[in-house]
Amino acid sequence: AQTVTQSQPEMSVQEAETVTLSCTYDTSESDYYLFWYKQPPSRQMILVIRQEAYKQQNATENRFSVNFQKAAKSFSLKISDSQLGDAAMYFCAYRSWGAGNMLTFGGGTRLMVKP
Amino acid sequence: DVKVTQSSRYLVKRTGEKVFLECVQDMDHENMFWYRQDPGLGLRLIYFSYDVKMKEKGDIPEGYSVSREKKERFSLILESASTNQTSMYLCASSLPGGPGNTIYFGEGSWLTVV
Repeated sequence: AQTVTQSQPEMSVQEAETVTLSCTYDTSESDYYLFWYKQPPSRQMILVIRQEAYKQQNATENRFSVNFQKAAKSFSLKISDSQLGDAAMYFCAYRSWGAGNMLTFGGGTRLMVKP
Repeated sequence: DVKVTQSSRYLVKRTGEKVFLECVQDMDHENMFWYRQDPGLGLRLIYFSYDVKMKEKGDIPEGYSVSREKKERFSLILESASTNQTSMYLCASSLPGGPGNTIYFGEGSWLTVV
């Protein structure tokens, strides 16, 4: 079974600085998708960024980018120019046909942004 | 705009009660999901449905059942609530197709069983 691990339960960053959240996963498949979701205190889960395993180029969405290392099964999220509104729980997730097309989540990282 | 609505945000129920958590989506999505969220454990899949009247067990189905009589509505049922079912419950939906499709989430239902 696929597993997703987020080793940092909590992280903090100074406003305007850069922070990287870590995620590793375990799979024997070659084709899959990885996601980062953000869950602010309002609890609405929002998709931040997605990466297809077959694409070598790292995905980027404005201030959010990923470092996808397929061989190492690592998928970290970098947030540049951190803003107060970035404070939230961040979840790494995996999805593939082989996993029944279901999302498998990591345990989450709580990000605090200091003004 | 995409909308997944969970009608009850906060519930307090007694042990042994039957509990219904309702979820409605307005995007005509075939796939619907119920997740449970606990600190440190992330989200764990309880049940999912890929069509009306169809359901599949997820990772933690014990103590739960589901109902999908209409495409837009997916209900989670706790037949006899227990204190270890105190948790945040998240409903989600998506179009059918590959794993790249976006899954949209509701705001969550916080259930406390006393």
